[in-house]
Formats: sequence, structure tokens, C-alpha cells
Amino acid sequence: NAGVTQTPKFQVLKTGQSMTLQCAQDMNHNSMYWYRQDPGMGLRLIYYSASEGTTDKGEVPNGYNVSRLNKREFSLRLESAAPSQTSVYFCASSRTDGQGANYGYTFGSGTRLTVV
Amino acid sequence: KNEVEQSPQNLTAQEGEFITINCSYSVGISALHWLQQHPGGGIVSLFMLSSGKKKHGRLIATINIQEKHSSLHITASHPRDSAVYICAVKRGSQGNLIFGKGTKLSVKP
Repeated sequence: NAGVTQTPKFQVLKTGQSMTLQCAQDMNHNSMYWYRQDPGMGLRLIYYSASEGTTDKGEVPNGYNVSRLNKREFSLRLESAAPSQTSVYFCASSRTDGQGANYGYTFGSGTRLTVV
Repeated sequence: KNEVEQSPQNLTAQEGEFITINCSYSVGISALHWLQQHPGGGIVSLFMLSSGKKKHGRLIATINIQEKHSSLHITASHPRDSAVYICAVKRGSQGNLIFGKGTKLSVKP
């Protein structure tokens, strides 16, 4: 099925370990996003990429890096995981019209990350 | 104060009941989204609104731009409607989404 594919679905890390969350979309969307979802809080934006070759910080970027490898793929890297990064991570993408407006958001199924 | 507030936080209904979930926001927006997150965790976009009303099946979403308020209605609710419903707003045409904390709906048979 077309959409946003995230891997892995689950991961347990030890404090200080590194890992990369992968995200790919096959809808030819220009914009891609990484969010985290914590209990009692709304989804918060970590990083986003408005188009291939560009990335920008969101609300909670500390401790993360991203790479927009090509139009399809947008990865999120934790260089040195901390317990505060225990969360559910969602990748999303949206299409952009001729005026640069974003809409048509599609979300991946999420990655449940636990840092011990 | 959160820029996007949803009420109620939790809602339990009997099958067949008419359900309303409210969303108020405090910023100027270009669009408002209603999303559904099922117990399995996946998030699905239900509606995107910039004015008026939209309907899809048993779901109806309305928005009042002047009052900065939106409602999501579910008619003839069913246990499969049990999910978290999330309101999100977008500031400016290229702005990112700001999310509410969600409303957890449980529909009992």
C-alpha cells in the first residue's frame, strides 16, 4: 500500500547507544517531518524537511539529527540516546501545491523507542 | 496555555450516541486538521478544514474561524470509533502543525 513506511516498529536502546530511524514515502510528497509523542502531550515536531536537500529544526530538536537522503527518504538519528528520548516517534509527509502550501498529511505507523 | 485545547480529554459513550469533540485554538491559522489515532498507534488524517463544514460518512467536522473553534461530530457511534481524536492547526500556508493533546473516545456496545 502507498504511504509512509517507518522502521523499526520497536527498539530498546541502552543509554549512550546510537541508532537511526528510517522513513520512506512513495507519494511524491515534498515535505517530510519527524514527531515525537509522549503521554499527556500533543505530538511535537523534532525536525522537518520542506523539500529535498533542506532540513529545519522543529520544537524539540536537541539530541537528534536528520538526513533527507532523497525525495523519498528522511531519517532521524539519535547519536547518544538518553532516557528522556523514550517516546513514540512518527514520521509524516505532506504534499505541496504550486503556492507552497502544505496539506494532505500522511503518517507512518510509529516507532516505539525505549532507552534504558 | 496551550495554543490548541481539546475537550473533553476523555469521553465514554454508548453505541448509537451522537458524539461531539471540541477544539479551540488561540493563534491565526490557515487550516485545521482532525486526526484519528487507533489503539494500535497509527494516525490517520480525517479532515482538513479552512472554513465551513465537511462530512465523510458518519463524521462531520465544522470550523468557526471568527470564534477560533472547531467541532468533530460522530453520528450513530460504534465501538470501532473508539480511538484518540487529535486536533491540529497550521499557521500560515507553509507552517507546521501544532497539535492538541487529543480526546480519548471509548464507545461501549
